[in-house]
Amino acid sequence: TQLLEQSPQFLSIQEGENLTVYCNSSSVFSSLQWYRQEPGEGPVLLVTVVTGGEVKKLKRLTFQFGDARKDSSLHITAAQPGDTGLYLCAGGNSGNTPLVFGKGTRLSVIA
Amino acid sequence: DTEVTQTPKHLVMGMTNKKSLKCEQHMGHRAMYWYKQKAKKPPELMFVYSYEKLSINESVPSRFSPECPNSSLLNLHLHALQPEDSALYLCASRREGYNEQFFGPGTRLTVL
Repeated sequence: TQLLEQSPQFLSIQEGENLTVYCNSSSVFSSLQWYRQEPGEGPVLLVTVVTGGEVKKLKRLTFQFGDARKDSSLHITAAQPGDTGLYLCAGGNSGNTPLVFGKGTRLSVIA
Repeated sequence: DTEVTQTPKHLVMGMTNKKSLKCEQHMGHRAMYWYKQKAKKPPELMFVYSYEKLSINESVPSRFSPECPNSSLLNLHLHALQPEDSALYLCASRREGYNEQFFGPGTRLTVL
């Protein structure tokens, strides 16, 4: 059974601070997705990384896929209250194999 | 159109009621999913449909009955639910050859 360990589970920071969320596994994934979810809404796809060592940037968010495709990180620079939400990483493999979700990181950015 | 829609947004039902949740996508995706999400937890997979056929059932109780009438539509029929079935029910779809799933906004279900 593939598992994704996501850390930290909770994070409360002041506006303007930087933060990093980690997603680790002992298994190799063919791709890894990051989602952001607000209360009562569905997860919204932020990015997909597929190549070992890949780095993608989305405004103040930087996503990295580990060289061995077993881990990933999400770094937010100068966090804003609008970044508040639940961040989920999900590992994918080929075919209809279900996504493996991390347990999520609940981020609260205080103005 | 890059959207997955779900109706209703909210649903309150008694334990003897029969209701249905509906999910629709027009992105041409041939894999569609039902998830259940409890508060402060990640989504839990319930069912997977591939080319309108049920391919995965994660040992879901028979009081939940999925249906895929066509490639754009996915239903979840509910009957004799329990209060512990109260949750956010999410639908998602995936394009052939890609891993990322696109989620709908969810249906907040409350069973009284």
